[in-house]
Amino acid sequence: ETGVTQTPRHLVMGMTNKKSLKCEQHLGHNAMYWYKQSAKKPLELMFVYSLEERVENNSVPSRFSPECPNSSHLFLHLHTLQPEDSALYLCASSQDDKGGEQYFGPGTRLTVT
Amino acid sequence: AQSVTQPDIHITVSEGASLELRCNYSYGATPYLFWYVQSPGQGLQLLLKYFSGDTLVQGIKGFEAEFKRSQSTFNLRKPSVHWSDAAEYFCAVGALTTDSWGKFQFGAGTQVVVTP
Repeated sequence: ETGVTQTPRHLVMGMTNKKSLKCEQHLGHNAMYWYKQSAKKPLELMFVYSLEERVENNSVPSRFSPECPNSSHLFLHLHTLQPEDSALYLCASSQDDKGGEQYFGPGTRLTVT
Repeated sequence: AQSVTQPDIHITVSEGASLELRCNYSYGATPYLFWYVQSPGQGLQLLLKYFSGDTLVQGIKGFEAEFKRSQSTFNLRKPSVHWSDAAEYFCAVGALTTDSWGKFQFGAGTQVVVTP
């Protein structure tokens, strides 16, 4: 238990659906991250939030829309996804955004049909 | 720009044998260095970290890593591997910055298989 929770753990959605992934951290951290992990590919950083402001958007398609309403919660809104978006989506948090260790949630396994 | 390389994609080791995973990094100053482990279908768990000071750092699960500035390496070691150590291991580097967010970069990972 790292103090970072993600829901749902598994999600199957069609290409026309809209769904959201939720991440919550109980560590009092000020920075949160979304990563995409596909099979046989390195971890891809998607978004970084620091003090609820987005500080990095790593050329992610607009069908992925992040939201950080407060420093403890991070959402990833999904719409009109493609099959190649199927992956493990990992949320992480860190004390600040200055390069220190990140703590990861268990991930959401997303399958787009 | 910083980078981190794990030269070994896959390593097979016998239970009870020693394990060493390689990590090479490139960064202009002293970076923050980390090792993470990921079991199948799970998130990443922090094994250990190096910020400064003693170059040999101890982590959880009996792992240790040594920072060698002259060689730009941060290799992970375990003297005697257990079957439960079968997992994927990631080296990561974080850049200390003051004017923007600290870039945190992962290596591609090393898959460790433990045989009886």
